[in-house]
Amino acid sequence: DTGVSQDPRHKITKRGQNVTFRCDPISEHNRLYWYRQTLGQGPEFLTYFQNEAQLEKSRLLSDRFSAERPKGSFSTLEIQRTEQGDSAMYLCASSLGFRSYEQYFGPGTRLTVT
Amino acid sequence: QKEVEQDPGPLSVPEGAIVSLNCTYSNSAFQYFMWYRQYSRKGPELLMYTYSSGNKEDGRFTAQVDKSSKYISLFIRDSQPSDSATYLCAMSATTDSWGKFQFGAGTQVVVTP
Repeated sequence: DTGVSQDPRHKITKRGQNVTFRCDPISEHNRLYWYRQTLGQGPEFLTYFQNEAQLEKSRLLSDRFSAERPKGSFSTLEIQRTEQGDSAMYLCASSLGFRSYEQYFGPGTRLTVT
Repeated sequence: QKEVEQDPGPLSVPEGAIVSLNCTYSNSAFQYFMWYRQYSRKGPELLMYTYSSGNKEDGRFTAQVDKSSKYISLFIRDSQPSDSATYLCAMSATTDSWGKFQFGAGTQVVVTP
């Protein structure tokens, strides 16, 4: 399978706990994006990496959120001290630099905060 | 007001009919227009993209962009029950050439056999 993969697919956690999600992009894609999607809404941009550099962050990404992409390969998104409002689908997408309008999404990680 | 507006539906059509979807937008800087299909509890799947104005056809899908009206459309011909999904439009400005997308909320389509 050469598509974008995400792990875990589902995560249930209690309020206040920390969670970490992983995204493996399509291997030759140098750009990686994180989005958040809530029920009945389209994905909302969170942050973007070009290779290992995090170049853009949305104001939606509070201080409790941190993302990394070591060595420009896979990426992790960590949420500290989770809140019920963090419950959403977290989507990862990747693209080739010169074709950034062709973003390919992974299956998402569904987070439920109880 | 959101930059991208999309009727949430649901839009119910009989099998074989043409599905007509549309989005309106307010940001005149948008130049790239994408359509994604999303099945329940899955990630979005890229269907088509167009740059600036005009039409683009790919199999049963036709995308149209009217920049003067700030209006884009997706038509699905000969619809099948497997086309039942949520369709998302997405847009990007050339100033955000690295790929910052603004998505619509999605239109739910139901194709009945």
